[in-house]
Amino acid sequence: DTEVTQTPKHLVMGMTNKKSLKCEQHMGHRAMYWYKQKAKKPPELMFVYSYEKLSINESVPSRFSPECPNSSLLNLHLHALQPEDSALYLCASSQVDRRANYGYTFGSGTRLTVV
Amino acid sequence: AQTVTQSQPEMSVQEAETVTLSCTYDTSESDYYLFWYKQPPSRQMILVIRQEAYKQQNATENRFSVNFQKAAKSFSLKISDSQLGDAAMYFCASWGYSGGGADGLTFGKGTHLIIQP
Repeated sequence: DTEVTQTPKHLVMGMTNKKSLKCEQHMGHRAMYWYKQKAKKPPELMFVYSYEKLSINESVPSRFSPECPNSSLLNLHLHALQPEDSALYLCASSQVDRRANYGYTFGSGTRLTVV
Repeated sequence: AQTVTQSQPEMSVQEAETVTLSCTYDTSESDYYLFWYKQPPSRQMILVIRQEAYKQQNATENRFSVNFQKAAKSFSLKISDSQLGDAAMYFCASWGYSGGGADGLTFGKGTHLIIQP
């Protein structure tokens, strides 16, 4: 299995809703990532889990909350989002070396719309 | 912080011709890796080619090759015999400290490649 699977593919939520994005990989990768990508922009790093240790990009608001239940699964919990949070959310994973010697494997993303 | 610069927002090429996409980067790392990713309308980021900085030889993957100039910190992608399926956004990327507290792959702004039939 050489895939990163993200669910759901599309999500529409209200500003008062709580929702979660899910990401799963079975490649034995021990590092997983969440990226946010606005239209016509590059992906921007939000969170890194490496050996279940979390690193946070300081610019990410607290209404985004990552969770790593195990080394194969990564969730992103969403609460009280704003319309400007509408974007494509990409999950990725990589082998043990966080310097990405072999690059990241990306999922196909969740298209999130906040109304 | 790591920076990756792509100065061509859009490129257009005739099918079967060759096109080169430019990328420059800045890093304080002594050992690093560089990547080109392709993002078609399907949204998935696909690794096209990677280059190990300590290797002199330019990486090649079928119709895709790079011109890596370490001293100039330049990393361009050449696509030969362009095909309609090559149409996509292309991102140059390098690993490094993004400046925000988490380090990971940092991407350039991207080049939108159009293939004319």
